[in-house]
Parts: sequence; structure tokens; C-alpha cells
Amino acid sequence: ETGVTQSPTHLIKTRGQQVTLRCSSQSGHNTVSWYQQALGQGPQFIFQYYREEENGRGNFPPRFSGLQFPNYSSELNVNALELDDSALYLCASSVRGGSYGYTFGSGTRLTVV
Amino acid sequence: RKEVEQDPGPFNVPEGATVAFNCTYSNSASQSFFWYRQDCRKEPKLLMSVYSSGNEDGRFTAQLNRASQYISLLIRDSKLSDSATYLCVVNKPGAGSYQLTFGKGTKLSVIP
Repeated sequence: ETGVTQSPTHLIKTRGQQVTLRCSSQSGHNTVSWYQQALGQGPQFIFQYYREEENGRGNFPPRFSGLQFPNYSSELNVNALELDDSALYLCASSVRGGSYGYTFGSGTRLTVV
Repeated sequence: RKEVEQDPGPFNVPEGATVAFNCTYSNSASQSFFWYRQDCRKEPKLLMSVYSSGNEDGRFTAQLNRASQYISLLIRDSKLSDSATYLCVVNKPGAGSYQLTFGKGTKLSVIP
């Protein structure tokens, strides 16, 4: 069983730039959620994708956007990067509803300078 | 009030000790409850789900009190390898989705 894989593992960007992060979901999982974890904090929900559509969104501005593909993989795009966007970005896959728990990828550590 | 609140920690305990983590949640619509473990600079990993009847997995016992909106995790006979941050997590329906809401986490250090 393949777990959740994310790429890249680390990234350094300049303020104002754009970034795309990628996630491949675990086999059998059809739902992908993205989380932002700042240092010393718990992960914060960004949004969720199911059937290639956004299926819920947390308190993040529109410059955070995403996609889900037919194979359930997903992308997170962030435009006009700000210094506060520096964080660990986690992708989690699940069966819709998540009652059986979510499987997290190892994350992408984004640093904005 | 935060949606999920945990003991602020950190907890520093000797090997073999019993340690308890407490957590409260504010949204009564929450439906599923979990404890996740996160090692330094790693992703969260599911430790155990939490059921109303209480559940045990080896040295770990989780309890849920829906009336009080309270969740607990008990670790008996602590091992050095238990050192990590423990995250209390609730899964509540959002607008058409089910979201995980995390507490800030409680850091545990088990000392030789």
C-alpha cells in the first residue's frame, strides 16, 4: 500500500513569488486535505478536495488555491507569497468523511524570504 | 474560545511514569476524535481513535466524554520513545466536508 507522498520536501521562495506543492494520495483514498503548520502550532485546515472539486475551506485567503486530479492527486498553489506563509504544508488523504482517520504526507517545508 | 484546547505542556516525566493529557473541544457537532503523535519536524501520525466507550491500545488509553466535550489520553509505563508532541484532533462536518481541527499539541519528554 503506497502512502501519501509530497513534493518537494523543502523550498525557499522570495516574497511575492508563487509556489506549487504536490501530493499523491494513499491508494484507496479519494479525498485530499491540505494543512498549514506554523512553528509551535497545530496544523490549520486550508481546504479539502473531493471528486476534483473544493469541498470545504478554512480561514485562508483566495491566493491559496488548489486542484485535484482524476487519480486523486492534488496541488496547492500559493500566489503573492508573504513571509508569514513560511510553514510546513501537510497533505492528508482519507476516504470521504475521514472516520477511519487521515494519512499524512511528510510535508513540504516552505521558507519565504 | 479555541475549537480544540489542550494542556499547554511541556510535560517532562521519568521513564516508567504514567502521564495524562487532557483536551476539550467547543463544537458539539464534532463526530470523530483522534490522538495524533508528531515527532520533531515530522508529519502527524495517527496514534488512536477515541470512542465514547473508551478504548485501549497497549499502554495507551483514550477516553471521550461527549457531554463535557472532553477527551483524554493516558500513557502508562512511559518509554523514551514516547517523547513527542501529542495532538488532540476532532473531525467535524464543515460546509460539505469533514475537517480535522487540531489542538496546539502537548510536548512530552520522557527522561531516563
